[in-house]
Amino acid sequence: KNQVEQSPQSLIILEGKNCTLQCNYTVSPFSNLRWYKQDTGRGPVSLTIMTFSENTKSNGRYTATLDADTKQSSLHITASQLSDSASYICVVSKDSGYALNFGKGTSLLVTP
Amino acid sequence: NAGVMQNPRHLVRRRGQEARLRCSPMKGHSHVYWYRQLPEEGLKFMVYLQKENIIDESGMPKERFSAEFPKEGPSILRIQQVVRGDSAAYFCASSPQQGDGYTFGSGTRLTVV
Repeated sequence: KNQVEQSPQSLIILEGKNCTLQCNYTVSPFSNLRWYKQDTGRGPVSLTIMTFSENTKSNGRYTATLDADTKQSSLHITASQLSDSASYICVVSKDSGYALNFGKGTSLLVTP
Repeated sequence: NAGVMQNPRHLVRRRGQEARLRCSPMKGHSHVYWYRQLPEEGLKFMVYLQKENIIDESGMPKERFSAEFPKEGPSILRIQQVVRGDSAAYFCASSPQQGDGYTFGSGTRLTVV
């Protein structure tokens, strides 16, 4: 069973709307949680990274939250743009730090 | 800084041939990681290398797969006698310190026919 589960699997929204993506994880011991954006045919690009003590972190129109007690995270995208169409991947690392555990991603499509 | 460079971007091999995937880390990065992404799956850790050393290869299949990061030149992921199941996107990442400041390359898409 994958240690990082994401929902929904895919999402279609209209340009300008907001959306929230979910991530549940069972990785233990926990080191940090990252959200990546992966455009088709490209490598993942980091959006945010949060450690155990951080509850929220923003990067422009992206805001990530973390509840380490319930092992849940969310990524909120505000005022979506067409260029936001991509796969958004939740990634959790253990204390060792270097081996990342990837979710399967949420495929987001923003339409005009 | 050109970022993490992977080549080739696309590679087609017949069953039984060898595949060599190259990764040049970002300038100043001495830690390299290889990940594999099968269709409809998340990226899976394969191997972690520092210059001339394999630190952790626990995610790499025991047979046919090998990786190196020589003192000079790029890191190489080598797959011998490829099979159809090896078809995937292979991503390389590098970092200046262990586990910190990951930067991914654009990947090599291997197709075995």
